[in-house]
Amino acid sequence: NAGVTQTPKFQVLKTGQSMTLQCAQDMNHNSMYWYRQDPGMGLRLIYYSASEGTTDKGEVPNGYNVSRLNKREFSLRLESAAPSQTSVYFCASSQRGLAGTDTQYFGPGTRLTVL
Amino acid sequence: AQSVTQLGSHVSVSEGALVLLRCNYSSSVPPYLFWYVQYPNQGLQLLLKYTSAATLVKGINGFEAEFKKSETSFHLTKPSAHMSDAAEYFCAVSDGPNAGNMLTFGGGTRLMVKP
Repeated sequence: NAGVTQTPKFQVLKTGQSMTLQCAQDMNHNSMYWYRQDPGMGLRLIYYSASEGTTDKGEVPNGYNVSRLNKREFSLRLESAAPSQTSVYFCASSQRGLAGTDTQYFGPGTRLTVL
Repeated sequence: AQSVTQLGSHVSVSEGALVLLRCNYSSSVPPYLFWYVQYPNQGLQLLLKYTSAATLVKGINGFEAEFKKSETSFHLTKPSAHMSDAAEYFCAVSDGPNAGNMLTFGGGTRLMVKP
C-alpha cells in the first residue's frame, strides 16, 4: 500500500495563476481532508469530504475549491493564487469508524510558494 | 468550539533525559485526543490516541500520554530521549464521528535532542 500520495511535491506559482493539487489514497477510506501548515499555527483544515460525493468547508476555505473525484481521489484547486497561500499543504484520509477513533493518515505534503 | 494549546514552541532536552511536551485542550464534548509526530520534510504520523478508554495511553517509540480531565491536559512523555526523537510534535482534538471527525491541531512543539 502506498497510503496517501500527493502531487506535486513542490510548486512555485506567480500571483494570479491557478493550479490543482492532487491527492489519492489506496486504503479504501471514506473521508478525506485538506490542511495547510504554517509556522506556529499547526495544521488548519481547508476542506474535507466525509464520504464520496460530499464536501464541506473547514476553518480556512477562502480562495480554495475541492473536488471529490471518486472514493480514492480528492483534489484542491487554487483559482487565483495569492502570496498568502504560500504554505505546505497536506492531504489526509480516515476510515470514519466508530466512537471517534478515526486515525487520519497523512500524505507527504506539497510545498507551495506564491510569488 | 474546540481548541488546543501547546505550551512551548521549542523544547530542548539532552539525550537520555525525560521528554515532557505539554498539551491543554478545550472541548464542548467528551474529547478524543491525539499526538502526531512530524519528521523533517515528511507528513504527520500518529503517535498515540485517547478515545475514552484507559487514561494512560501508550504509543509508538516509547511515548505515552495521560488524559487528565480535571486539568484538561494530555501531556506527552518519554522517560529517555533519543536523538531520533528530534521532530515536531502536534497535539490534536477531535469532535468525534457524529460531527465529522474534524481535527483541531495545536501550534506544534519542536523537540531538539542534544548529545
